Amino acid sequence: AQSVTQLGSHVSVSEGALVLLRCNYSSSVPPYLFWYVQYPNQGLQLLLKYTSAATLVKGINGFEAEFKKSETSFHLTKPSAHMSDAAEYFCAVSRGGSQGNLIFGKGTKLSVKP
Amino acid sequence: NAGVTQTPKFQVLKTGQSMTLQCAQDMNHEYMSWYRQDPGMGLRLIHYSVGAGITDQGEVPNGYNVSRSTTEDFPLRLLSAAPSQTSVYFCASSYPTGTGELFFGEGSRLTVL
Repeated sequence: AQSVTQLGSHVSVSEGALVLLRCNYSSSVPPYLFWYVQYPNQGLQLLLKYTSAATLVKGINGFEAEFKKSETSFHLTKPSAHMSDAAEYFCAVSRGGSQGNLIFGKGTKLSVKP
Repeated sequence: NAGVTQTPKFQVLKTGQSMTLQCAQDMNHEYMSWYRQDPGMGLRLIHYSVGAGITDQGEVPNGYNVSRSTTEDFPLRLLSAAPSQTSVYFCASSYPTGTGELFFGEGSRLTVL
């Protein structure tokens, strides 16, 4: 069965610092992996997705994530945080066999200090 | 392009009342689903549908009903609301094939007193 674990429910960084949000997954089939972002009082927006084409995936707003099969990880990074990056971030894995049926992690709230 | 549209955005109910959360998409997506979001719990799947006339249960289906009479619409019904159903509800849709990327509505915040 597929599952997702996000380490750290709350991460705080200074503006300009590296952002690292951690996600580990388990999947019995080659996974499709996603990162979504949720700004306050809004829906979820896709940041990036891994579909087995390339292990380093670039997304919107300068974010990227690297798929590491040996570590079953898909961590999200951004070299330099901006105040506008403050939001909640969700990692998700496809259940497989039921397209669109995603399993979400519990989320990591990112705070950015000036 | 409207994408996924949810109504209402906010609703307050009393225990035992019924209501329907509406969801419509204009992307001709076969797959539609409902999630609930609670603090510290992430998003949990309530019900989903892979096409008109086909629905199935997710992780937390109790207390909720769905139907899918058209490709565009996927309403979520609460027959007898309980305080435990206080949550933010998200409707999402996707193509039936491909990577499974979900497109989300903006959410409906429900409070049950």
